[in-house]
Amino acid sequence: QQQVKQSPQSLIVQKGGISIINCAYENTAFDYFPWYQQFPGKGPALLIAIRPDVSEKKEGRFTISFNKSAKQFSLHIMDSQPGDSATYFCAASRSSWGKLQFGAGTQVVVTP
Amino acid sequence: NAGVMQNPRHLVRRRGQEARLRCSPMKGHSHVYWYRQLPEEGLKFMVYLQKENIIDESGMPKERFSAEFPKEGPSILRIQQVVRGDSAAYFCASSPPPSYEQYFGPGTRLTVT
Repeated sequence: QQQVKQSPQSLIVQKGGISIINCAYENTAFDYFPWYQQFPGKGPALLIAIRPDVSEKKEGRFTISFNKSAKQFSLHIMDSQPGDSATYFCAASRSSWGKLQFGAGTQVVVTP
Repeated sequence: NAGVMQNPRHLVRRRGQEARLRCSPMKGHSHVYWYRQLPEEGLKFMVYLQKENIIDESGMPKERFSAEFPKEGPSILRIQQVVRGDSAAYFCASSPPPSYEQYFGPGTRLTVT
């Protein structure tokens, strides 16, 4: 049973465009929602994270939008660059758990 | 400040052999997590350890797999009698207490022939 569902599976966007990746969760006890970026052959790198007490968090070109009532959160990559081409994973956790539950990942390709 | 270190980066084992994967957490981090990533799939939690304690091993197969994080030295994920289905990338992450943020190592890619 996958606790975090991620879509789309893959995404092609032109340079300068906006990449949008969506995630939905079931467990209302989750209270931490990070996004990770992974390049081929590398480990996941923490990109940005949000807690349920805010609806949006922005760091540079990356923005997380969080909708608690809908149990959904999304990553927006503004002004996408070819260097952003990677696989992005959303995840969720809760304070008493420690472990992260990951979505299946979205492969983003930014064309020049 | 060195990141999470894992070794070896690549490991080839024949069916039936043992695999030992090592993870050194970031300096100051006392929480270690192991995840497995199968080809074209997301990461699946295996085990969560603190120094000398297993906190949560709910994601670890009951047989052949074990993990430890001794008082001194790296955390070890041990897979006995490996089978082809164990071929995957194994990632270690660490976090400082009390923090949600987990930082991942480069992974060990295990190939079972």
